[in-house]
Amino acid sequence: QQQVKQSPQSLIVQKGGISIINCAYENTAFDYFPWYQQFPGKGPALLIAIRPDVSEKKEGRFTISFNKSAKQFSLHIMDSQPGDSATYFCAASRAGGFKTIFGAGTRLFVKA
Amino acid sequence: DTGVSQNPRHKITKRGQNVTFRCDPISEHNRLYWYRQTLGQGPEFLTYFQNEAQLEKSRLLSDRFSAERPKGSFSTLEIQRTEQGDSAMYLCASSLSRNEKLFFGSGTQLSVL
Repeated sequence: QQQVKQSPQSLIVQKGGISIINCAYENTAFDYFPWYQQFPGKGPALLIAIRPDVSEKKEGRFTISFNKSAKQFSLHIMDSQPGDSATYFCAASRAGGFKTIFGAGTRLFVKA
Repeated sequence: DTGVSQNPRHKITKRGQNVTFRCDPISEHNRLYWYRQTLGQGPEFLTYFQNEAQLEKSRLLSDRFSAERPKGSFSTLEIQRTEQGDSAMYLCASSLSRNEKLFFGSGTQLSVL
C-alpha cells in the first residue's frame, strides 16, 4: 500500500538549472509534508517541510509548493549545484503521529 | 550533540544466524524509530518507542524481529534466524515528542549470505 507516490525516479539537471520533484498522497489525514535528502552511506536528513495551511514555503534555494485539493506537493531546487546530487524523498505524517510514510525517492544528478 | 549513532555500520552474517543492532538517539529525544530501507526505496517504518514503551510495530515486522529500549535511552533491534530477504539498511531515527522532524543515524547495512 503506497500512500505517497513520488516522481520521477531519476533526474539529470544542468548546473544552474531548476530541479523539480513531485509527490502525491492519498491519506487526507496527513498534515505534515517533509522532504529529506540522502547522500550515499548516510541516513536521510530533513531539508524542508510544509503544513497544508500554506501553499508555498521557501528556504534558500529550496521551495515546496503544496496543492491541498489535488493532494500533491513538489520540491523545486533553484540554481541546482553538483553538491545537490543526492536522493530526495518526499514524506507525509499526521500531526502528533509517529509514523512517517516515505516516497520511493528521486535520484538527482546535477551536471557541472 | 553528536546526533544519532548506530552500530555496527556494516554486518555480514550467514542465513540462520542472529544479529543485533544498537542505536543511540539524541539525548533529549523521547521518540525513537526503526526503519528499513532497501536499494532504490524509501525508508519503511518498522517500530516506534515513546521513552521505553514500544507503542507501535509494523505488520512488516515478523516475529523474528524484536526491539527494546530498556531505559528510554539507547535501543537495540534483534533479528533472529536471519533470511536473505532481511538484507537491507536498518535506520534509526529520533525526535522530540511534539516535533515531527526526524533525525536519522547513518544506518546499519545488513547482508545475509
